[in-house]
Amino acid sequence: DVKVTQSSRYLVKRTGEKVFLECVQDMDHENMFWYRQDPGLGLRLIYFSYDVKMKEKGDIPEGYSVSREKKERFSLILESASTNQTSMYLCASSLRVGADSNQPQHFGDGTRLSIL
Amino acid sequence: DAKTTQPTSMDCAEGRAANLPCNHSTISGNEYVYWYRQIHSQGPQYIIHGLKNNETNEMASLIITEDRKSSTLILPHATLRDTAVYYCIVIAGTYKYIFGTGTRLKVLA
Repeated sequence: DVKVTQSSRYLVKRTGEKVFLECVQDMDHENMFWYRQDPGLGLRLIYFSYDVKMKEKGDIPEGYSVSREKKERFSLILESASTNQTSMYLCASSLRVGADSNQPQHFGDGTRLSIL
Repeated sequence: DAKTTQPTSMDCAEGRAANLPCNHSTISGNEYVYWYRQIHSQGPQYIIHGLKNNETNEMASLIITEDRKSSTLILPHATLRDTAVYYCIVIAGTYKYIFGTGTRLKVLA
């Protein structure tokens, strides 16, 4: 079974802090993603990466950065945390999509982040 | 990516089949239908996906109509642990998943 592990289930940080969320997958997937999920707004893509050291902005990258130094690990960084970044953060991974196939994204259990 | 429409909520008796419908009338020829579920406080769990043929795995069956404008996820013998929000999405090789509000399925003892 695919396993996507997020480092913390719950995290409380203060405004202005630099926050690191870590995600590790064990299935040698090329693609990794960071989403946030908020009530009424659904799932929104922050950043994704299709290879080591590669990254692409999603729909809401402002205030975030990412790092992918190794294939299995994708980190989300909140440069200076603000209260509007309080949310559930979800990491996902998938195999690279081929021309004739589609590959599902597999999600971790999420990190519920509160910024005070 | 095509938009999907699902009922807001459904109930199902334990042990019965749960049939969850999804409309995707604007689906394109290369878009797949995916189903996920999310149990409270957990991440979305992949269930099944398909393009045009019906699919079955150990969790569920996916029935896609011939015109591909709608589909049904079938949980053959629902248990209390199947209580969750079920999301139907259609996607074609893009990286961005868009989950709508889904169907809140409640399995009743």
